[in-house]
Amino acid sequence: KQEVTQIPAALSVPEGENLVLNCSFTDSAIYNLQWFRQDPGKGLTSLLLIQSSQREQTSGRLNASLDKSSGRSTLYIAASQPGDSATYLCAVRPKWTGNQFYFGTGTSLTVIP
Amino acid sequence: ETGVTQTPRHLVMGMTNKKSLKCEQHLGHNAMYWYKQSAKKPLELMFVYNFKEQTENNSVPSRFSPECPNSSHLFLHLHTLQPEDSALYLCASSQDEGRNEQFFGPGTRLTVL
Repeated sequence: KQEVTQIPAALSVPEGENLVLNCSFTDSAIYNLQWFRQDPGKGLTSLLLIQSSQREQTSGRLNASLDKSSGRSTLYIAASQPGDSATYLCAVRPKWTGNQFYFGTGTSLTVIP
Repeated sequence: ETGVTQTPRHLVMGMTNKKSLKCEQHLGHNAMYWYKQSAKKPLELMFVYNFKEQTENNSVPSRFSPECPNSSHLFLHLHTLQPEDSALYLCASSQDEGRNEQFFGPGTRLTVL
């Protein structure tokens, strides 16, 4: 069974700092990996989707990379802002499980003004 | 309405009640999902429907009963729930071919007394 781990569980940084969030998964046979943002008590907002054939995706200040062979993905946030404070989740879709998606427990980010 | 909508947003029910959660997607997707999110735990996939057919049922207790009348609507019928079923219930949809990116609704916060 695919296991997804996100470290650290919580992170606090001053405004303006660049930061990296980590996601690791145990089975490299994945169809895609998706990064989400979740505000307290709310649903998940899709940030970036990386297909298994891609190495990275970029959207604005966000850049996500994928290294299947090592079972890792990183989400890079440039010039962090207080509005970036949220929980960030990654999810992988393994190739062998149909429509199953496996989520990590997330990294809770606080950006201090 | 755009994206994925869920009603109600909040629900409080007793253990002997029967209630239903509703999800509607306006994205033209062919797959819909129910997830349970409890504190400090990864999202748990409960049910998956693809073209209105249930394709996944992750050992969910029978007190949870899904219904998918068409590819745009998904229900979760609840009866004789337990206090440990209190959680955020999230609905998502995706297009099974191509990008397969998941989009989530805002969730229903369920409290079982």
